[in-house]
Formats: sequence, C-alpha cells, structure tokens
Amino acid sequence: NAGVTQTPKFQVLKTGQSMTLQCAQDMNHEYMSWYRQDPGMGLRLIHYSVGAGITDQGEVPNGYNVSRSTTEDFPLRLLSAAPSQTSVYFCASSYSPANYGYTFGSGTRLTVV
Amino acid sequence: TQLLEQSPQFLSIQEGENLTVYCNSSSVFSSLQWYRQEPGEGPVLLVTVVTGGEVKKLKRLTFQFGDARKDSSLHITAAQPGDTGLYLCRNNAGKSTFGDGTTLTVKP
Repeated sequence: NAGVTQTPKFQVLKTGQSMTLQCAQDMNHEYMSWYRQDPGMGLRLIHYSVGAGITDQGEVPNGYNVSRSTTEDFPLRLLSAAPSQTSVYFCASSYSPANYGYTFGSGTRLTVV
Repeated sequence: TQLLEQSPQFLSIQEGENLTVYCNSSSVFSSLQWYRQEPGEGPVLLVTVVTGGEVKKLKRLTFQFGDARKDSSLHITAAQPGDTGLYLCRNNAGKSTFGDGTTLTVKP
C-alpha cells in the first residue's frame, strides 16, 4: 500500500504564480483534508472533503481551492501565490477520523519568493 | 473552533528520564487523539481516547483523558532518543483542530 502520496515534495514559486499540489490515496478513504504547518504552530485545516463531489472550508481557506472528482484524488490549488503561503502542506485521509484518525502524506514544502 | 493548548512547548531531556506533556481546552472534547510527528514526515496517530477518565498504554507511553474530558496527558517512561519528535493532540469534534504541539528532544 502506498498510503497517501503527495507531489511534489519541494516547490519554489514566484509571487503571483499558480500551482496545484497533488494528493492521492489508495485506501478507499472517504475523508480527505489539507493542512498547512508553519514553524512553531500546529496543523491548520485549509479544506476538507467527506466524499467525492463534497468539499468544505477549514480554518484558513483563503487563497486555496479544492475539488474532489474521485475518491482517490484531492488536489489543492494555489490561485495566486503569496509569501504568506510559504509553508509545509500535508494531505491526510481517513476511513473515519473520529475512530481511526488520519493517515498523513509526507508533505510538500512550498516556498513563495 | 475549539482551541487546544499544549504544554510545554519545548522539552529537552536525557535518555532514561520520565516526562509528561499536556493538552488542555476550555471546552469539552468529544474525543481526542495524540499524534507524533518526526522531522520531514507527516504526523502518525498514536491513540484515540474517548471516555472521561480513560487510560491507554502503548508500550512506554501512557495516555490519560481527564474525567471532565477537557484535558489529556501523555506520559513517557524511560524516554529514548527514538521518542524525539513533535507530539500533537487533536480534537475530533467539528472541523478538526490540532494543538501547536510539544517538541520533545531526548538526548542519548
């Protein structure tokens, strides 16, 4: 099992550029989420999905878009990158978050210059 | 959004020492999870606690859930360098909230 796969692992963007962070899971999990992690801080929820075709905003959704066309994939789009979006981004999936917790990918380290 | 406070923020100890880290909230948890995150990796689930007063053990790690379900602790006995990492608690209710974590360093 590959688990949760995130690509790319590292990315440098210029301010104003757009890009998509990819996330795929092969565990048939309905729940998927995107978090960002900044130094000295925990994980903050950006967007989440409870199934294909269903997405909702988390704590810090501004500047990001998501879609969930399949159970397996949950891409995160940065519309116009800003230095404040420099962070480590984690994708996570779960069969049932309350009972089984989340399985996390290994993260994408994004730098916006 | 329920705020989770974790303490201490940083902890550096010698191998073999015992330690306790805490996760507190002003609101009642529905249930709570503890994760460990190693550098360069995503967090990994350690345990879920559900019932007030619950105690769970995972080898040298002991997790307690407060009777009022507003606090939790993680106790590590005889810490080892492999325990080094960021320990995060997460509230299961609503849009899941993570604490800012405790960074633990265990020196050989």
